[in-house]
Amino acid sequence: EPEVTQTPSHQVTQMGQEVILRCVPISNHLYFYWYRQILGQKVEFLVSFYNNEISEKSEIFDDQFSVERPDGSNFTLKIRSTKLEDSAMYFCASSFTDSPLHFGNGTRLTVT
Amino acid sequence: DQQVKQNSPSLSVQEGRISILNCDYTNSMFDYFLWYKKYPAEGPTFLISISSIKDKNEDGRFTVFLNKSAKHLSLHIVPSQPGDSAVYFCAASAWASGTYKYIFGTGTRLKVLA
Repeated sequence: EPEVTQTPSHQVTQMGQEVILRCVPISNHLYFYWYRQILGQKVEFLVSFYNNEISEKSEIFDDQFSVERPDGSNFTLKIRSTKLEDSAMYFCASSFTDSPLHFGNGTRLTVT
Repeated sequence: DQQVKQNSPSLSVQEGRISILNCDYTNSMFDYFLWYKKYPAEGPTFLISISSIKDKNEDGRFTVFLNKSAKHLSLHIVPSQPGDSAVYFCAASAWASGTYKYIFGTGTRLKVLA
């Protein structure tokens, strides 16, 4: 069964550094998402992406965040200058249309 | 504004018995509802969904019930198995701003006791 893959599984970075989290969504999917989960808390929506542009973003997704789909397969989340509070699990997800979201296994980002 | 709520952070059930997980939502625009299961260090895995035109959907041991007037859905697992122990998230979806928007609840940690 096709799946969403995310790399790396764990990223440790220093405060103020840039990080890029990578995702390969399921190939025929059209809608792409990033969510995050701070330890023990709920899964929070960050951004949705369709037709090569952002469809919607949450309040969390400020100017420090950006997303890109540089080719037909990768979908990336960039955090320009990381803060301690950015430490979380970041999940990429994709869907075809009004179908279930399929999630990757996440990238654990630790900002020190 | 918490549009999707799971008021029980945890639930313990004996193996073989029924597990009932509950979820409430506030936005009547939601028309598609989903349940996900999550193990530690893994992403949420889709379990079962229901469209707002239905009130019940069944898949093996899992049944989801939707009460639109009460804005409430529930997941029944019968019989519960130790492998069902995980965190369960409900999610609600609507088409808005040119995309499908999925909002997740806070999760319920289910522990099935052998």
